[in-house]
Amino acid sequence: DAGVTQSPTHLIKTRGQHVTLRCSPISGHKSVSWYQQVLGQGPQFIFQYYEKEERGRGNFPDRFSARQFPNYSSELNVNALLLGDSALYLCASSGGGQGSLETQYFGPGTRLLVL
Amino acid sequence: AQSVTQLGSHVSVSEGALVLLRCNYSSSVPPYLFWYVQYPNQGLQLLLKYTTGATLVKGINGFEAEFKKSETSFHLTKPSAHMSDAAEYFCAVSDWGLGTRDTGRRALTFGSGTRLQVQP
Repeated sequence: DAGVTQSPTHLIKTRGQHVTLRCSPISGHKSVSWYQQVLGQGPQFIFQYYEKEERGRGNFPDRFSARQFPNYSSELNVNALLLGDSALYLCASSGGGQGSLETQYFGPGTRLLVL
Repeated sequence: AQSVTQLGSHVSVSEGALVLLRCNYSSSVPPYLFWYVQYPNQGLQLLLKYTTGATLVKGINGFEAEFKKSETSFHLTKPSAHMSDAAEYFCAVSDWGLGTRDTGRRALTFGSGTRLQVQP
């Protein structure tokens, strides 16, 4: 079975630009979460979506937004990029049914470099 | 707010020696606890988890962890280290849901990680 997939794997942008990151969850999973991992730190929660609705949001500015599609894939958008947005962006999927949302399985991540 | 503290950002052991990675948490609700491993330039792989029931949980690659409520700890151990265990290890605790229709757990709060080095 395919795991969580993310695209692109690497991305280089300049300050002020916009970026879209994509994630496909494990087949049958209905929830997608996004995390930011700055070099040398643990991942930090950005968003969680379940059944196409936002169910949680971390402490990130409004420049960060996300959505989930009918096929449960998801996009993370970041506007007006700053140097500090350089990080590994991780997508995690969970939830084949109620009560099974607690275990999150992570994709390989998208490494974003902002110059 | 929940938090996770991992004592020791770097741990070095000899091959064949005991591995002990420490994790303490704070949570206002009964916690669900996780250990993840991250190899260089990769995502996170689930090692093991505690949700309810038996407090000693076994995971992949010979790792295990024990939930101790009185000590608010969830330390990760492995009896004998292997060179392939060298990686970054993250402890995480999950938060309650915000919605009313679904009581599933939500965001993971991670510790800052412990880098395990295994010496030959």
